[in-house]
Amino acid sequence: DTGVSQNPRHKITKRGQNVTFRCDPISEHNRLYWYRQTLGQGPEFLTYFQNEAQLEKSRLLSDRFSAERPKGSFSTLEIQRTEQGDSAMYLCASSPTPVAGGGRDTQYFGPGTRLTVL
Amino acid sequence: EDKVVQSPLSLVVHEGDTVTLNCSYEVTNFRSLLWYKQEKKAPTFLFMLTSSGIEKKSGRLSSILDKKELFSILNITATQTGDSAVYLCAVASSGTYKYIFGTGTRLKVLA
Repeated sequence: DTGVSQNPRHKITKRGQNVTFRCDPISEHNRLYWYRQTLGQGPEFLTYFQNEAQLEKSRLLSDRFSAERPKGSFSTLEIQRTEQGDSAMYLCASSPTPVAGGGRDTQYFGPGTRLTVL
Repeated sequence: EDKVVQSPLSLVVHEGDTVTLNCSYEVTNFRSLLWYKQEKKAPTFLFMLTSSGIEKKSGRLSSILDKKELFSILNITATQTGDSAVYLCAVASSGTYKYIFGTGTRLKVLA
């Protein structure tokens, strides 16, 4: 199965520490998204990459959050100086290059990284 | 502000029942509406709707969009325990890459 993969699957950290998550999208998918999901809520958009370019970030995203996709393949999401409110599931999704007639909005999600900040 | 509202928040039915899940939205420059199923893991894609009045169907699941009234419904007929999940609705707008998700409807199907 060559779906979206995320590592680690679980991360427990102490408040104030930095954490980094990795996402490997489906190969040849040039579009990559990061979301955050808390209990009882739908995924909340964080940021979007098209190839290596970060084209959109949520206005709600704190400057403690940064994401990269250096070669247009895997992506990393770093949270600096973690706070208890950062505890959530961090989801990555990828989608292929749009084709005529559709396919643009079909996203494939990874299993997520569950972050717990103590 | 753009928003997506799903109802009901939760639903308990018995196997064999038919359920209708609702998703209403307020977004500028609507592009598409998507339905996802989320069990104890990441959401899996069900349908994408862009045109009003055209039903998408996959087995016992079907969905339709009403762009005039700004809502979509997801129907599940002859429910099975394996349909138990959270069903998420998301909307995409032109001019932005982000998707706005609703809070989901938690469906529980009892044997």
